[in-house]
Amino acid sequence: QVQLVESGGGVVQPGRSLRLSCAASGLTFSRHAVHWVRQAPGKGLEWVAAISNDGSNKYYADADSVKGRFTISRDNSKNTAYLQMSNLRAEDTAVYYCAREVSGGCDPWGQGTLVTVSS
Amino acid sequence: DIQMTQSPSSLSASVGDRVTVTCRASQSISSYLNWYQQKPGKAPNLLIYAASSLQSGVPSRFSGSGSGTDFTLTISSLQPEDFATYYCQQSYRTPWTFGQGTKVEIK
Repeated sequence: QVQLVESGGGVVQPGRSLRLSCAASGLTFSRHAVHWVRQAPGKGLEWVAAISNDGSNKYYADADSVKGRFTISRDNSKNTAYLQMSNLRAEDTAVYYCAREVSGGCDPWGQGTLVTVSS
Repeated sequence: DIQMTQSPSSLSASVGDRVTVTCRASQSISSYLNWYQQKPGKAPNLLIYAASSLQSGVPSRFSGSGSGTDFTLTISSLQPEDFATYYCQQSYRTPWTFGQGTKVEIK
């Protein structure tokens, strides 16, 4: 079955960087766009970024949130997508999910990886 | 950005009840509207895509309707496993945006 597994989360100090990974299995990875969505503790879902199936197109949430600090990428030879996060802020603390795009929605989602930005 | 507004923010219902959640977009999004269910501590699960298409494996008691700016998620007969938070999401234009969520609780 299709499975996505995130990794790379942890505790990081403000201003530092972190790279999340999303490893996919059970699908032809190169056929699908991938999205990152985050959820701050006790809050709703926030779309972060997306990358097209071949990596040629990348999309980000707006400037005030992540644009300019986060970079999405993928390596289809490794069936893996990445989210490079720099200059992290306390408000970036969240569970980060990756998901496959299918039929215009996100399915399935990974189990999520927790990023905590704290000194 | 396209703003998505759900109502109500929460509701209490009993097993067997018919439940309706609404979602309004700040501009027309045609039928580019998805619904997700999320249970505590779990990742969201796609229920409905393209406003009214049932995702594979999702029980038929879930249905979606609407187009343009106004959409509805209906659970025809609420089951114990349906107590969760539901989110709408537009995929008409990036950045994709979610509604704030509707928590369905046990009455």
